[in-house]
Amino acid sequence: QQQVKQSPQSLIVQKGGISIINCAYENTAFDYFPWYQQFPGKGPALLIAIRPDVSEKKEGRFTISFNKSAKQFSLHIMDSQPGDSATYFCAASSPSYNQGGKLIFGQGTELSVKP
Amino acid sequence: DSGVTQTPKHLITATGQRVTLRCSPRSGDLSVYWYQQSLDQGLQFLIQYYNGEERAKGNILERFSAQQFPDLHSELNLSSLELGDSALYFCASSADWTEQETQYFGPGTRLLVL
Repeated sequence: QQQVKQSPQSLIVQKGGISIINCAYENTAFDYFPWYQQFPGKGPALLIAIRPDVSEKKEGRFTISFNKSAKQFSLHIMDSQPGDSATYFCAASSPSYNQGGKLIFGQGTELSVKP
Repeated sequence: DSGVTQTPKHLITATGQRVTLRCSPRSGDLSVYWYQQSLDQGLQFLIQYYNGEERAKGNILERFSAQQFPDLHSELNLSSLELGDSALYFCASSADWTEQETQYFGPGTRLLVL
């Protein structure tokens, strides 16, 4: 129940295209859903995050769509660029009063944007 | 640069040995997290400290322990090392202890157990 399932494992997109990465969860207690971006040799960095009281959040070319009833959320990268090539992780966490700030991560998606 | 520093960057050791990984959080951050990243398990939460006290615990092995010192730096101790402990170990920090605080990750320590 603590798992977050992420797909696809890898994704190849042409420059200018839309990259879509999906995540699903079981634990309805999760109340915070961040996406992290990781470049080779670096630590993950927060990209964008959403709470379940909204269905969509947009920051620049990055959008999170959230479907509470389906327990799914996804990351959309519009106008994908070669510089977006990285590994993307979705994550989820429960209210901190009993779980602290612990993040449960998906398995990651390796995105490659071809010029 | 996230502002989180980790030392050493690389560590090669033998089975049965003990190692200590060190993390300095961003200036002003009170919370420190440790994560393990491996090919088969992905990114796994190990433990969180907030202002010197343990705040949350994940699937951390009994052979592993951590602490956060008064100056807020943290150390992760791994003992009786096994081949399967080879992984990237990340430290992250955040200002507070709640789940909605942005966690800033360090560059990681790559541990290889031979």
